[in-house]
Amino acid sequence: GQQLNQSPQSMFIQEGEDVSMNCTSSSIFNTWLWYKQEPGEGPVLLIALYKAGELTSNGRLTAQFGITRKDSFLNISASIPSDVGIYFCAGLSSNTGKLIFGQGTTLQVKP
Amino acid sequence: NAGVMQNPRHLVRRRGQEARLRCSPMKGHSHVYWYRQLPEEGLKFMVYLQKENIIDESGMPKERFSAEFPKEGPSILRIQQVVRGDSAAYFCASSGRNTEAFFGQGTRLTVV
Repeated sequence: GQQLNQSPQSMFIQEGEDVSMNCTSSSIFNTWLWYKQEPGEGPVLLIALYKAGELTSNGRLTAQFGITRKDSFLNISASIPSDVGIYFCAGLSSNTGKLIFGQGTTLQVKP
Repeated sequence: NAGVMQNPRHLVRRRGQEARLRCSPMKGHSHVYWYRQLPEEGLKFMVYLQKENIIDESGMPKERFSAEFPKEGPSILRIQQVVRGDSAAYFCASSGRNTEAFFGQGTRLTVV
């Protein structure tokens, strides 16, 4: 079945550093989504990407939809303590309608 | 994720009882997904439904679990004869056709 490989699994960084995480798949997706989940809460949508090659920003967050449609990355610039959480990528297949998630990247920021 | 309503937020059941988890999608959304999450783990796909139809239930256990999304009312995830291993957070998400999905706050099921 469809799977997403998300890396790294976890990151521990210093406040102010930039962060990069990515997702790859053996399947093509028509939409890539990035979510953040904080303890005890549901995932919150950060960025949605709809076209191959698309680069989209949301504040300090930037995400790109890979040209091959099989990958995406998320960058966080100048990290702050409130960036702490688990970041998930998700791919949506227009053929099946199924929304598949990566394993998540746990981010910890040291003040 | 405001707009996707899940209830209850917390549910405690004794072994052998039934658990009913409800999800009201955002207004105008006709697609619902259910996911299960264990502590320190990712979101495991369970089932994808559209109004009155189960599209993909490949992540649902074969027994005791069922889901529905009726024409009127919320989507329901039902777990019969719960066991301790069913304890987890259950999230639902809703979307329009081929659009981004938004999550509810989840239901945390504890089986005692």
